[in-house]
Amino acid sequence: GENVEQHPSTLSVQEGDSAVIKCTYSDSASNYFPWYKQELGKGPQLIIDIRSNVGEKKDQRIAVTLNKTAKHFSLHITETQPEDSAVYFCAASTQTGTYKYIFGTGTRLKVLA
Amino acid sequence: DAGVTQSPTHLIKTRGQQVTLRCSPKSGHDTVSWYQQALGQGPQFIFQYYEEEERQRGNFPDRFSGHQFPNYSSELNVNALLLGDSALYLCASSLASRGRYEQFFGPGTRLTVL
Repeated sequence: GENVEQHPSTLSVQEGDSAVIKCTYSDSASNYFPWYKQELGKGPQLIIDIRSNVGEKKDQRIAVTLNKTAKHFSLHITETQPEDSAVYFCAASTQTGTYKYIFGTGTRLKVLA
Repeated sequence: DAGVTQSPTHLIKTRGQQVTLRCSPKSGHDTVSWYQQALGQGPQFIFQYYEEEERQRGNFPDRFSGHQFPNYSSELNVNALLLGDSALYLCASSLASRGRYEQFFGPGTRLTVL
């Protein structure tokens, strides 16, 4: 069935270092991959996304890479700041008329000052 | 520009009761999806509404039902509540009619079943 695996489950980095979170999806028809940041007591916030016709996308300190052959996609955060501390979720979607998202299990990122 | 809003913020019910959660989509959006997020887990897809009809359903029992109104707002109903229904219920809106599939989430409703 459809599944998205996410690693690591927790990640601690020093302020200014980089953080990388990796996801693997099972449905080869998936073609849209958003990343969400969820702070305590809030709903998930879309921070970046990538479509299957693109290998990499960057937005300031955040970048996402996609390897369709291996069914892997990753989130890269550079120059981390304490406010980057949150839970991050990857998701995969097959936009063939249904658009439901399959989410990973989340990564708790702690940026140590 | 108002984002996705949900009500109530918190809710406490007892087993066997029924509950209705409400969602107003982001201004201009026409599609509403509902997700259940158990503690420490990623959101799980319940169902999606578009043009007032359920377009797709996830792996949830018939106790979970929904509705979309002409103004695109939506309700999620859960009957015969079980302890395991305790979770954060998230609503997400999108603009599927324009081919925009990004989903924007509301703050959620925290349901506790005792």
